[in-house]
Parts: sequence; C-alpha cells; structure tokens
Amino acid sequence: DTGVSQDPRHKITKRGQNVTFRCDPISEHNRLYWYRQTLGQGPEFLTYFQNEAQLEKSRLLSDRFSAERPKGSFSTLEIQRTEQGDSAMYLCASSSYRGRYEQYFGPGTRLTVT
Amino acid sequence: DAKTTQPNSMESNEEEPVHLPCNHSTISGTDYIHWYRQLPSQGPEYVIHGLTSNVNNRMASLAIAEDRKSSTLILHRATLRDAAVYYCILRGAGAGSYQLTFGKGTKLSVIP
Repeated sequence: DTGVSQDPRHKITKRGQNVTFRCDPISEHNRLYWYRQTLGQGPEFLTYFQNEAQLEKSRLLSDRFSAERPKGSFSTLEIQRTEQGDSAMYLCASSSYRGRYEQYFGPGTRLTVT
Repeated sequence: DAKTTQPNSMESNEEEPVHLPCNHSTISGTDYIHWYRQLPSQGPEYVIHGLTSNVNNRMASLAIAEDRKSSTLILHRATLRDAAVYYCILRGAGAGSYQLTFGKGTKLSVIP
C-alpha cells in the first residue's frame, strides 16, 4: 500500500521565486484535495479535484496559486512570486468515489519562504 | 459550515481511557460528525465518523448525544502513540460537501 505521497517534503525558497509541489494520490482514488496548514492551526482547504476537473476553490487560493491534475492522476500545486506569508505545510489528500467519509492525507510539503 | 468547539488541550495517563469532547450546537440534521487526528510531523489521519448512533472501530468509539449537539471520542486505552491533535469536524451530506473544515483541535498529551 503506497498511500498518498508528496514531493518534495521540504522546500526553502527566496521571496519572489516560483515553486511547484507534486502529489500522487492513492491509485484508485478519483478525488484529490489540497490543504494548507500554518503553525498551531488546523489545515485549511484550498482546492478539490474530481478526476481532472477542478470543482472547488477556496478564496484562499489567490491568483498566484494554481493547481492542476492532468489525466486525473497526480496533481501539482504551483505558487508564483512567493511571499513570506506563503510559508506553511501544504497537504494533499485523496478519497475514492465512495469515500465521502475518509480522506487519506500525505505527509505534506513544508515550504519556507525567506 | 456549522462550528465545533473543543478544549485546546487534554492530558491522559498511559493505558487509561480518554474522553475527548466536542460541542456542535448548530449541527444540522444531515451533518456527519467526523474525527481526524494528526500525529507530530504527519498529515491528518481519519479516526471515525457517525451520524446519530454510537460507533465503534478498531481505533476508537464515538458517542453522540441524543440531541446531536455534542459528541465524545473515546480512546479505550491511551498509548504514547495516541499523543496527537484531535479534530472534530462536521461534514454535510450534500453535493459539494467534500472539503473538511478543521478547527484548532484538542492536543492530547499522554503521560507514561
């Protein structure tokens, strides 16, 4: 069982640079979610895909953020012109069509913007 | 989204039962009560969920008040591996209710 994987696990970047994170969901899961978590807070929803379609986006997802899920498999989250406020843990989760109950989370990508 | 209220932190002795409370006085009739936990340096992990009846699984039990305005997650014998932040989340049953809305949760410390 490979679970949800995320790459990289850690990323340090300078303000103004672009970064891209990858999430590989559990293979048979058609639903994929991105969350962001800052220190001491619970995760906050960013966006949701069903297969390759992006069906929900939070208002937290500013114009500098874009997410894709080509072919309905892995997903990428890109942040352009990073700001220090983007420093956070970025979590990916997936669930199956019938998985209205359980989301399976990856280990997250910790982003530090200096 | 209906809101949940949890204590910020709780302590338990190892091998003793733990009762983690959650208040959700504005819960709607179709909201499911979900519990997730997050161990240090890991992503959240599903624990249990329920609608009206009490639920048991290999990880925990969920006791739901008759009026559904509160619930309690029960860990029958706390171990050091149960030290985590526990989140109580309400999730609607309708279309578009796929996201999870986390609060700050309860940080559980387990004392050896």
